[in-house]
Amino acid sequence: GIQVEQSPPDLILQEGANSTLRCNFSDSVNNLQWFHQNPWGQLINLFYIPSGTKQNGRLSATTVATERYSLLYISSSQTTDSGVYFCASLAGSARQLTFGSGTQLTVLP
Amino acid sequence: NAGVTQTPKFRILKIGQSMTLQCTQDMNHNYMYWYRQDPGMGLKLIYYSVGAGITDKGEVPNGYNVSRSTTEDFPLRLELAAPSQTSVYFCASSSGQGIGTGELFFGEGSRLTVL
Repeated sequence: GIQVEQSPPDLILQEGANSTLRCNFSDSVNNLQWFHQNPWGQLINLFYIPSGTKQNGRLSATTVATERYSLLYISSSQTTDSGVYFCASLAGSARQLTFGSGTQLTVLP
Repeated sequence: NAGVTQTPKFRILKIGQSMTLQCTQDMNHNYMYWYRQDPGMGLKLIYYSVGAGITDKGEVPNGYNVSRSTTEDFPLRLELAAPSQTSVYFCASSSGQGIGTGELFFGEGSRLTVL
């Protein structure tokens, strides 16, 4: 089946720093989404971004479907950004979203 | 709108017991999903539904059953609970043009422990 690789697996930042999270797929990418799972376990949809670039406040995301990857940028990080970031996508002929194993982000005050 | 609502939030079961996790969405979405998340892992699809009366298996369906009698409700039934079913369960819905498409909205999760 499709392979989804998220990098880095863990990231520790000082408050105010910027970061880039990456999601690579082994097959063509379709319907890519980014999620944030906060420390209480809630999953929040950050971006629905099949292609191109979107921005929402301090967060932005870029998907290059032809090259099978997506990037999530976090600028001026805050402690509330801590948690796990997941990407997910339909890929190839699959009829279900495949999730990556996540990037654990810790933002220190 | 309440979005996607799951109950219960926590449950402890003994091996061999059965239970139903409830899921309701008020966004009139056609597509609904049940995922499980094991510690330190991503989400795996258990079952999904493309509309009332239509369900299908996902990646890890063994030990579970679902039904979809209405657009709003998509309960997940665990029969003969086993320790391997200890996990956090998430219900989700979307309004895309096909299964797996469209923005995915999650419930708050149900933490199940089987002892």
